[in-house]
Amino acid sequence: GDSVTQMEGPVTLSEEAFLTINCTYTATGYPSLFWYVQYPGEGLQLLLKATKADDKGSNKGFEATYRKETTSFHLEKGSVQVSDSAVYFCALSDQTGNQFYFGTGTSLTVIP
Amino acid sequence: DAGITQSPRHKVTETGTPVTLRCHQTENHRYMYWYRQDPGHGLRLIHYSYGVKDTDKGEVSDGYSVSRSKTEDFLLTLESATSSQTSVYFCATRGEGTQPQHFGDGTRLSIL
Repeated sequence: GDSVTQMEGPVTLSEEAFLTINCTYTATGYPSLFWYVQYPGEGLQLLLKATKADDKGSNKGFEATYRKETTSFHLEKGSVQVSDSAVYFCALSDQTGNQFYFGTGTSLTVIP
Repeated sequence: DAGITQSPRHKVTETGTPVTLRCHQTENHRYMYWYRQDPGHGLRLIHYSYGVKDTDKGEVSDGYSVSRSKTEDFLLTLESATSSQTSVYFCATRGEGTQPQHFGDGTRLSIL
């Protein structure tokens, strides 16, 4: 069945460092891909999305490119800030949109 | 976000008591979901709804029931709470097609 695998954390970076959080997926057909962010005590917030191959989702300096050939959707940011400290979830929905699959989350801590 | 309100936000109760959590949305979204979030397990789907009075089970539905009598409200009931149901519960909604899910801020439930 469909699934999402993301790199395990926790990840600790210094401020202004480059961030990559790996996400790979298994799916039939043409899924849509998402990154969500969860700050302490809050629900998940949509960070970015891509709905077809080679699409690049971007928001708040974060980017991810839908790579069908490598079945990947890695999250990147060129220069992280302390305020980016959160848990990041990769997610997939099947091509009907009816089934959603979440990764287990990657905790990021950015230190000054 | 998508106008999702979960109530209560925090609850402490005793084993064997019934508990009902409420999710209220103002977006007129057709699809609604209940998840639980536990350390090491990420998000796990409990039940979901694809319309008024139309619901189905997720991967961890045992011990839970749901009801949706109108579009805006989705109730999750623990008929007889157990300590293993101590968790943070999230409601999510989704519009049509491949739209992303939008999340409430969660309910922290402790069963003693």
